Amino acid sequence: EVQLVESGGGLVQPGGSLRLSCAASGFTFSSYWMHWVRQAPGEGLVWVSRINSDGSSTNYADSVKGRFTISRDNAKNTLYLQMNSLRAEDMAVYYCARKAGGGNSNTDYWGQGTLVTVSS
Amino acid sequence: QPVLTQSSSASASLGSSVKLTCTLSSRHSSYIIAWHQQQPGKAPRYLMKLEDSGVYNKESGVPDRFSGSSSGADRYLTISNLQSEDEADYYCETWDSNTQVFGGGTKLTVL
Repeated sequence: EVQLVESGGGLVQPGGSLRLSCAASGFTFSSYWMHWVRQAPGEGLVWVSRINSDGSSTNYADSVKGRFTISRDNAKNTLYLQMNSLRAEDMAVYYCARKAGGGNSNTDYWGQGTLVTVSS
Repeated sequence: QPVLTQSSSASASLGSSVKLTCTLSSRHSSYIIAWHQQQPGKAPRYLMKLEDSGVYNKESGVPDRFSGSSSGADRYLTISNLQSEDEADYYCETWDSNTQVFGGGTKLTVL
């Protein structure tokens, strides 16, 4: 069974940093592209970033480019999102998600999400 | 990059059918999309992938009541014999070589 378990969310002040982790199991992690999607309270899903299977290629939404860094450790079956210079508008539930195939593919599994609160 | 447009809300009666629409930007009208369901307080769940030809592939475990179809730039999700547990937000998704894109979501109310 595919499982994606996020952790690392919490309360952080504006301008602060946080690192999210996503522990993957039930599939060959190193074979799949992965991404992060966020959802602000009461709002819709917004794509944040994605990474290819070996970590050599990444893409970011314009709203987080230069502040967030996606990475992965295939030996540990773990996906990361380093978030710096956090703003109030970054407050959201962050979902780790698996892409069904390569770069041109849909999301087929979602984690349960981790809440990031940005507030002083 | 592609843009996906969804109506913000829809409603239908228990036991009836509803057809939700996701419209692709005109330049991207041939793109494949995926439909996801998000029940209140839960993570999203992948339902199906839908091609411009109308061919769809459902995830294992998705009830037969759920089906997909296409017409031009429009992609549809039809839910038949609506059940109370179908009350949820429904999102469409597409992608290109640099990005993933989600529609704004449709909130479905089962009356």
